[in-house]
Amino acid sequence: AQKVTQAQTEISVVEKEDVTLDCVYETRDTTYYLFWYKQPPSGELVFLIRRNSFDEQNEISGRYSWNFQKSTSSFNFTITASQVVDSAVYFCAHQTSGTYKYIFGTGTRLKVLA
Amino acid sequence: DVKVTQSSRYLVKRTGEKVFLECVQDMDHENMFWYRQDPGLGLRLIYFSYDVKMKEKGDIPEGYSVSREKKERFSLILESASTNQTSMYLCASSSVGGGAAYNEQFFGPGTRLTVL
Repeated sequence: AQKVTQAQTEISVVEKEDVTLDCVYETRDTTYYLFWYKQPPSGELVFLIRRNSFDEQNEISGRYSWNFQKSTSSFNFTITASQVVDSAVYFCAHQTSGTYKYIFGTGTRLKVLA
Repeated sequence: DVKVTQSSRYLVKRTGEKVFLECVQDMDHENMFWYRQDPGLGLRLIYFSYDVKMKEKGDIPEGYSVSREKKERFSLILESASTNQTSMYLCASSSVGGGAAYNEQFFGPGTRLTVL
């Protein structure tokens, strides 16, 4: 069965520091998707990225970057020069291709202090 | 932008009451979902609907039912609310297309339900 582990329950950093959120997954699927979502205090999960299992290229979007490594079953998320507005709970999720089901990690709460 | 709205942000009900949580999406998505979110457990799927009047049980359907009479609206029903159903409830929707049956899910703001 699929499993997603976010071992970091809570991280606190000072503004402008870089921070990496870890995501490790277990799957026997050959084709799958990995996701990151952000949940700010308002409660709504905001979609950040979807990565296909066949695409191991790293991705950068502004201050956000993602490192996908199938060899270690990891899909880590780095925020560069963190800001207070980055404070949120971040969820990693796995989806088997062709199914609707997401397996979510338990989330990492990021606190960015001014 | 995709918009998923939920009828209430906060709700307080008494044990044994029948509770309706409403969700509406405005992007003509085929798929809709209900999750509950609890600390330390992440999000768990309660029910999924892939079309009007069609539904499938998720991981934790016990004590819940759903209704989808219109494509844009998906209701979660607690037939007889209990204190262990106190939780955050999140609705989501996703489209079919681009070669995928299930694209990324878009979430509503959540309803925090307290059952006393």
